[in-house]
Amino acid sequence: GESVGLHLPTLSVQEGDNSIINCAYSNSASDYFIWYKQESGKGPQFIIDIRSNMDKRQGQRVTVLLNKTVKHLSLQIAATQPGDSAVYFCAENMEGFQKLVFGTGTRLLVSP
Amino acid sequence: KAGVTQTPRYLIKTRGQQVTLSCSPISGHRSVSWYQQTPGQGLQFLFEYFSETQRNKGNFPGRFSGRQFSNSRSEMNVSTLELGDSALYLCASSLAYDEQYFGPGTRLTVT
Repeated sequence: GESVGLHLPTLSVQEGDNSIINCAYSNSASDYFIWYKQESGKGPQFIIDIRSNMDKRQGQRVTVLLNKTVKHLSLQIAATQPGDSAVYFCAENMEGFQKLVFGTGTRLLVSP
Repeated sequence: KAGVTQTPRYLIKTRGQQVTLSCSPISGHRSVSWYQQTPGQGLQFLFEYFSETQRNKGNFPGRFSGRQFSNSRSEMNVSTLELGDSALYLCASSLAYDEQYFGPGTRLTVT
């Protein structure tokens, strides 16, 4: 869709599977991380966030893991549903700066 | 509570023209950020306003400018439009330094 690059990484799963979307962030000084979901024709929608003093945070059907050693974030979606089909972006921010830096995004395709 | 609204939703302009986009944040939010989204560059930060002051700025040329009004509504302006300015322009609001809520965006096409 309009929100993504032509060569966006794509993850295809079956309904009911667990999905894991990965992201490498760039700035070791970043201390706030967010996952967004973007459906075609819409703006990014907040899913879950995590601060650098944590390594795991759970929401409803979603879990974010943070590995600061290797500057890696992951989003786990349990029991993936067709409505989860979208592009997922990770974003990083530094405290004191309201200036998100976004990853390139991953397209998640969920088949019924 | 109403979400972030952006107007217009779609816009077509020709090279050399200028354009003004508008964003109304969530009620009570004082921070408004602007982002440009293109297939090639992804989502890139333009600038952020808080209490009518530009607090953060991205790496865009001076043709891109913005402002915020006392009611926290914000506008961004792009002068001397180029073909490469065609993009989805997204506005996000937040209370201060926290979770940003995005609007649906304005799709700008420059011909």
